[in-house]
Amino acid sequence: EDQVTQSPEALRLQEGESSSLNCSYTVSGLRGLFWYRQDPGKGPEFLFTLYSAGEEKEKERLKATLTKKESFLHITAPKPEDSATYLCAVQGYSGNTPLVFGKGTRLSVIA
Amino acid sequence: DGGITQSPKYLFRKEGQNVTLSCEQNLNHDAMYWYRQDPGQGLRLIYYSQIVNDFQKGDIAEGYSVSREKKESFPLTVTSAQKNPTAFYLCASSRRGESEQFFGPGTRLTVL
Repeated sequence: EDQVTQSPEALRLQEGESSSLNCSYTVSGLRGLFWYRQDPGKGPEFLFTLYSAGEEKEKERLKATLTKKESFLHITAPKPEDSATYLCAVQGYSGNTPLVFGKGTRLSVIA
Repeated sequence: DGGITQSPKYLFRKEGQNVTLSCEQNLNHDAMYWYRQDPGQGLRLIYYSQIVNDFQKGDIAEGYSVSREKKESFPLTVTSAQKNPTAFYLCASSRRGESEQFFGPGTRLTVL
């Protein structure tokens, strides 16, 4: 069974204090790993897709990386507007499986 | 603008009543999905459909039903058989053969 574990559950940063969020996964053949941002009371917003170990993608202050067992979402010099819950999801190659989501990391950036 | 719409944003129902949540997309996506999100929890898949007139159960389908009569629409009915229906419901869609899913704004259902 495919599984995703995100850590920490919550993270509080000062503005400008860089850090990383972790997404550990087990999947029978990785088809893709996905990062989403979710603001309170809203639907998740797509950020990145990673397909193979060693791949990296960047968007503004966010950079996502992938290994064979985990992915990191690095946040460089965060701003208060980066405060949100960040969700990680995986899709395996077993049949036509939908995405499996982690519980998310709730990030708070304090000015 | 292309996107996914869900209505209503907030919905209140009495216990024992069936309720239908709307999801419409104009992205020309083939696949559509329904998720449930509870506080502090990840998204759990209720039903998904990869083509018109076909759908599959997700991990927590009991007490829910869906239909897919049109490509653009994938309504979800929460029946009285669902034991704990109060939650945030999210609809998503994706292109055929692609994994990236795009989400609607969600409907918060409260059963009194």
